[in-house]
Amino acid sequence: QKEVEQDPGPLSVPEGAIVSLNCTYSNSAFQYFMWYRQYSRKGPELLMYTYSSGNKEDGRFTAQVDKSSKYISLFIRDSQPSDSATYLCAMSVGSNYKLTFGKGTLLTVNP
Amino acid sequence: GAGVSQTPSNKVTEKGKYVELRCDPISGHTALYWYRQSLGQGPEFLIYFQGTGAADDSGLPNDRFFAVRPEGSVSTLKIQRTERGDSAVYLCASSFSGGATEQFFGPGTRLTVL
Repeated sequence: QKEVEQDPGPLSVPEGAIVSLNCTYSNSAFQYFMWYRQYSRKGPELLMYTYSSGNKEDGRFTAQVDKSSKYISLFIRDSQPSDSATYLCAMSVGSNYKLTFGKGTLLTVNP
Repeated sequence: GAGVSQTPSNKVTEKGKYVELRCDPISGHTALYWYRQSLGQGPEFLIYFQGTGAADDSGLPNDRFFAVRPEGSVSTLKIQRTERGDSAVYLCASSFSGGATEQFFGPGTRLTVL
């Protein structure tokens, strides 16, 4: 079993839809949780960064962390075609600086 | 300012050859990371530098892989006796400190071993 599990999709939605992306993890030591967006043939770009449990909102994006269930989510409201990309969840134990990534979910938002 | 840059953007080599991949981090970033991303997978950690020293090299798959950062800025990932399984995108990231703060990624080097 991998430390971080993420459904690779693909996920296809119409423009304006609410998108829900999720990851589960097995390592209870993870303290920092991130979502990266990766366009084709580009490096990952940080979208959201959360420490410990709770919600964090930034514009159309909301990140949720439930440490009791070892489950994290990213919600995208009013999705746009420009949101079409691969979304990667990533986690770190904190003092150990490496990031552990999920496989990524390929999202397509259709106009 | 400029982001993380990586050269070359693409590298095609033959099995058994030696390759070097270069990473120029964002100026002033003391922490530098190398990851490897295979097709359809998320990036996997290889090695982390804090300044000139490798603070964590637990992700290097075997002794054919080696990385240096002699002056605490530019880093080079070196792969000896390349194998077809080494084909992947090699990503470099940098950050201000070694904490779990934002890691800024470069565009990657796409390595193909024939």
